Amino acid sequence: TQLLEQSPQFLSIQEGENLTVYCNSSSVFSSLQWYRQEPGEGPVLLVTVVTGGEVKKLKRLTFQFGDARKDSSLHITAAQPGDTGLYLCAGGASGSRLTFGEGTQLTVNP
Amino acid sequence: DAGITQSPRHKVTETGTPVTLRCHQTENHRYMYWYRQDPGHGLRLIHYSYGVKDTDKGEVSDGYSVSRSKTEDFLLTLESATSSQTSVYFCAISASNRRDGYTFGSGTRLTVV
Repeated sequence: TQLLEQSPQFLSIQEGENLTVYCNSSSVFSSLQWYRQEPGEGPVLLVTVVTGGEVKKLKRLTFQFGDARKDSSLHITAAQPGDTGLYLCAGGASGSRLTFGEGTQLTVNP
Repeated sequence: DAGITQSPRHKVTETGTPVTLRCHQTENHRYMYWYRQDPGHGLRLIHYSYGVKDTDKGEVSDGYSVSRSKTEDFLLTLESATSSQTSVYFCAISASNRRDGYTFGSGTRLTVV
């Protein structure tokens, strides 16, 4: 079973601060995805990265896939209260289904 | 714009009773999945389907069964509900097995008393 570990588990910051959350594994993934989940709703896909070293930007969110395709990071610049939510990473290896991390619960305080 | 709907959204049931949760999609996606989400465990795969009448077990399949008689519907049945099955259940769909990403439903909160 492939495991994805996310850190930190909980993060509470003030509006305007920057933050980074991490997703790590000992396994190689052919692709890695990030989702955001708000209370009472299902996770929503933010981005998919497939190439080692790949960087994708989505407004104030920057996603990076590690060179060895075993880890990923999500960096948020100038966080806003609307960024509050549970951030989940999910990895897919060749021939297998997605494995989800347990998530990072982010709270951005006004 | 929901291409996937789950019903019911909330349910309270008694221990020992059978319960069926429904997932309906309008995207004509091949793959459908049932997950449960619990604090400290994240999302865990119960069962999945890769086509009509083609299903397979996930990592926490004991006590659950599924059926997919039509492309658009994927049913999850708790054969005899137990308190340990109190959870939030999510259905997800995808066009391919991994890379396209999953679209999740809004979830069913199930309480077994």
